[in-house]
Amino acid sequence: DVKVTQSSRYLVKRTGEKVFLECVQDMDHENMFWYRQDPGLGLRLIYFSYDVKMKEKGDIPEGYSVSREKKERFSLILESASTNQTSMYLCASSLPGVGTAHFGPGTRLTVT
Amino acid sequence: KQEVTQIPAALSVPEGENLVLNCSFTDSAIYNLQWFRQDPGKGLTSLLLIQSSQREQTSGRLNASLDKSSGRSTLYIAASQPGDSATYLCAVRPYSGNTGKLIFGQGTTLQVKP
Repeated sequence: DVKVTQSSRYLVKRTGEKVFLECVQDMDHENMFWYRQDPGLGLRLIYFSYDVKMKEKGDIPEGYSVSREKKERFSLILESASTNQTSMYLCASSLPGVGTAHFGPGTRLTVT
Repeated sequence: KQEVTQIPAALSVPEGENLVLNCSFTDSAIYNLQWFRQDPGKGLTSLLLIQSSQREQTSGRLNASLDKSSGRSTLYIAASQPGDSATYLCAVRPYSGNTGKLIFGQGTTLQVKP
C-alpha cells in the first residue's frame, strides 16, 4: 500500500515564525501536492511538484514556498507564519497519468 | 474554470438505508473522478476512482457512476452502517498536462444513526 506520511499531526506556532511541514511518500510517485482545508472553503491547492526540483503554484500560493530536493519528500514552508494560515494541511502524491491520488493524515497547524 | 458541487451538504439517515450522494462538475474535459472519505480531523481515504472512459466502479457496498457528458457522478452506499458516518468528497482531475491536480467539491457529511 502507498504510504504518505506527514511530520506532525498537530503544530502550534507563533506569528512570524518560519514553519516547515514535511511530507514523505514511499511509492516513487512523481507528483506531490500540498492542499489546505478550511471550513466552508474546502480543499485548495497551494503548490504541486511533478518532478524533483520542479514546482508549480496552485490556487493559493501566497505566503508559502516549497522544496523538493528528493523524489520522496516534499516540504511546505511558511516563511513568516500568520494567523490566517491556521488550517489543516494535507499532502498527497500520485503517479503521472490517471492514477489514484493518495493523501497523508494531515497536519493541523495553529498560528497564535 | 472547473467547478465541482456536491449536494446535499449534509445527510442523516437511519442504519440500513440505501443512499445516494451527488457530485456535479461544470467541464467534462476530465481524466477521471475520485471519491474520498474523510473522518473528522483525519486525512482523505480514496474509495473509488472512475476513469473518463468508464461508467461505474464498485467496491463492496459502494458503487460510483460517472456520466461525463452531463457532468455528474453519484456514490451509492448500500445498507448503510454507523461506521459509514464521515464526510464524502468527490474530486475531478481536469485535462491539464500530466500534473495530477484535483479539484474538489465541498463534501457531503453523512450521519448514519443506529
